[in-house]
Parts: sequence; C-alpha cells; structure tokens
Amino acid sequence: GQQLNQSPQSMFIQEGEDVSMNCTSSSIFNTWLWYKQDPGEGPVLLIALYKAGELTSNGRLTAQFGITRKDSFLNISASIPSDVGIYFCAGSDNYGQNFVFGPGTRLSVLP
Amino acid sequence: EAGVTQSPTHLIKTRGQQATLRCSPISGHTSVYWYQQALGLGLQFLLWYDEGEERNRGNFPPRFSGRQFPNYSSELNVNALELEDSALYLCASSLRTGGKSKNIQYFGAGTRLSVL
Repeated sequence: GQQLNQSPQSMFIQEGEDVSMNCTSSSIFNTWLWYKQDPGEGPVLLIALYKAGELTSNGRLTAQFGITRKDSFLNISASIPSDVGIYFCAGSDNYGQNFVFGPGTRLSVLP
Repeated sequence: EAGVTQSPTHLIKTRGQQATLRCSPISGHTSVYWYQQALGLGLQFLLWYDEGEERNRGNFPPRFSGRQFPNYSSELNVNALELEDSALYLCASSLRTGGKSKNIQYFGAGTRLSVL
C-alpha cells in the first residue's frame, strides 16, 4: 500500500531558529496536508496544498507541493516554544477521499 | 461553529470487554474517518463512513467495526478488547463533494482507550 516517509524523525532546535522537514512518497499525490499535534490532542490542520509547485504560507509556516508530486516540504521560521509538537504530513491520490499519513516529525524547541 | 466532538475523553476497559466510542462531525460534513494512534506512533487508518455506508476499511481485524447514523454521527465498536488496543482513537470529518474538490479532514481531540 501507499506509504509516506517523513524526515527527520525528530529534531531539537534553539528558539529563534528556522526549521525544515519533508515528506516523501513512492506514488504521486494530488493533495498534501500538514497537521500539528500537541500531546493528548487531535491533529490540527496547518496548511493544505492542491497543485504541484504550490507554495503556501500560514504565518511563520510555509509549505510546498513538490514538482514531482511525490513530496512536500514544511518550513517554520523563527521557531518559538509553542511550536513544540508532532508534525504530520498526509497525502491523497484521489482528491481527499482518502488520506495516508506519515509517521510524523517530533519537534522540540530549546529556550 | 462546533468542531468534531468525541466522547468519552477517556475510557478504561479490561481484556475481553467491548468498547464503544462516539463521534459527531462538523455540521454539514457527511464523511467520518476513524484512526488509531498508539503511543508515540503515527495515525493508522481504521474506517471511513460516508452517507451512512462504510466506504473503506484499514488493515484491522473484524472486531473493529462501526456505523454512521442518519445525522452523520458515528460509533466505533471494538469487541474482545486486547491489551494492544490501548491507544488514542481519533475521529475526523470532511465535506465529501467528490471529484477534484478540496476535501480536508478535521480532527477531534480523540478518545484515550486504556485496556487493562
């Protein structure tokens, strides 16, 4: 079945630093979503991408739909302590009728 | 507007018992998805309901089942509970319009199931 890989698996950064993480697939997707999950909570949608090459921002967050349609990237600028959490990517090859989720990138921000 | 609501927040059961988890989707959403998230792991797709019917099922045994009611709310039932069923169970809803539409899944806060 379809699988998504996320890297890095976890990362520790200093407050104020920029963060980059990515999500890759062996198959082509037409929709990418990025979620953030705080401990004990459900994932919250950050950014949705629908077109190859699309670059979308949400505050300090920027995500891109890869040209190959097999990957997506999420960048966080000037990280702050509340950025701590697990970031999940999700991809769909049927315009959102089903999504497959990546294993997540765990972000820790050191003061 | 209310988001996806799940109940109960926590559920403690013993091995062999049955658990029932409930989900109310965002008003107007017709699709409900269930996921299992074991501690420290990613989301594993369980079930997808739309318009009262099961549309897709993940790689889980038949003792995981559910249904969707006419008001689009949903129940997840887990029979003959096993220790490894302990996890956070997440429900998501979306407005399924078909075709090249921008379907997005919105999640509830989850039900934490502990099997002792």
